[in-house]
Amino acid sequence: EAQVTQNPRYLITVTGKKLTVTCSQNMNHEYMSWYRQDPGLGLRQIYYSMNVEVTDKGDVPEGYKVSRKEKRNFPLILESPSPNQTSLYFCASTMTGGSEAFFGQGTRLTVV
Amino acid sequence: QKEVEQNSGPLSVPEGAIASLNCTYSDRGSQSFFWYRQYSGKSPELIMFIYSNGDKEDGRFTAQLNKASQYVSLLIRDSQPSDSATYLCAVNVPGGYNKLIFGAGTRLAVHP
Repeated sequence: EAQVTQNPRYLITVTGKKLTVTCSQNMNHEYMSWYRQDPGLGLRQIYYSMNVEVTDKGDVPEGYKVSRKEKRNFPLILESPSPNQTSLYFCASTMTGGSEAFFGQGTRLTVV
Repeated sequence: QKEVEQNSGPLSVPEGAIASLNCTYSDRGSQSFFWYRQYSGKSPELIMFIYSNGDKEDGRFTAQLNKASQYVSLLIRDSQPSDSATYLCAVNVPGGYNKLIFGAGTRLAVHP
């Protein structure tokens, strides 16, 4: 089954404690992205990757890091989380840049 | 001006009626247009895509695209309570990455 898998689904952490949200896709897609979704603001892109070792900033990259060492994996790293990063996060993959996006199940992050 | 704009709603329609959801976009070079449905706390799922001017029908759903007016809409016929969700419009922004930009979504409520 074609899918994008994110883990964990729910995470509560404390300010400053580094965390990683994993994302993996099995569709051999070139492009992967991370979004955050906040009430009234819709989906905002954090980072995206066009291929292995090729990543770039989206619209809200501050406080986040990513890496793309393998085609299927695109982890999101919060080196020092802060309460304003409390949000619902989605990973997505696409065959090409502007094609249909397939989303992971989402990760609800709370930073206290 | 936001790149993709949607009325946040809620749009309330009675069961069996036609729900009309609208979206405008700013980049005249956009070529790909998508409608996603998102239930609360869940990931977006694709319900329609359209690339050419005119109408595209799929079951109870019809997508309409007017590139001259930079306008894309989604019609849901015979609306059901299970259609109650947030509907996200997504548009590609041509360029190096050709990324997808999402609107903030319109919340639809179908009441019995």
